[in-house]
Amino acid sequence: QQQVKQSPQSLIVQKGGISIINCAYENTAFDYFPWYQQFPGKGPALLIAIRPDVSEKKEGRFTISFNKSAKQFSLHIMDSQPGDSATYFCAALTGGGNKLTFGTGTQLKVEL
Amino acid sequence: EPEVTQTPSHQVTQMGQEVILRCVPISNHLYFYWYRQILGQKVEFLVSFYNNEISEKSEIFDDQFSVERPDGSNFTLKIRSTKLEDSAMYFCASSGGRYNEQFFGPGTRLTVL
Repeated sequence: QQQVKQSPQSLIVQKGGISIINCAYENTAFDYFPWYQQFPGKGPALLIAIRPDVSEKKEGRFTISFNKSAKQFSLHIMDSQPGDSATYFCAALTGGGNKLTFGTGTQLKVEL
Repeated sequence: EPEVTQTPSHQVTQMGQEVILRCVPISNHLYFYWYRQILGQKVEFLVSFYNNEISEKSEIFDDQFSVERPDGSNFTLKIRSTKLEDSAMYFCASSGGRYNEQFFGPGTRLTVL
């Protein structure tokens, strides 16, 4: 019940295309959902985050869509660029705790 | 821009040896964390630390692990007797509050031979 399921495992997108990564969770106590970007040899860095009281949050080319009833959320990267090539992790946090539960990661490659 | 730093960047040790991984969190942060990432796998929570005590720990964080904030700036993770399966990247993170962003350090790659 503590898991966050993430798909796809890997994704190849053409430059300028839209990258979509999906996550699903079971634990309804999760109430904060961040996305992290990780480049090889580096630590994860927060990209964008959402709370379940909104259905969408947009920051630049990055948008989180959140479906509370379906317990699903997704990351959309518009106008994908080669510099976006990285591993993306969704995560979830419970209000009563302070640990992040990470998804399994999506390796994104944006090709020219 | 303030950042979390970790030393060493790579630690190689023999099975059964003790290792101490060091972290300097962002200076005004109050919550500190250790996570680990086995090569090619997801990031896993180990422990959180607040107000000089462990606030939460995972089942991975057994009696072989301990954390300490020995002074006002450092936060350490000690593994008493390393096992082969402890080989992983260990990330330290800190945040200013529970719902504040957790800032991750660059990690220490631990290799147990």
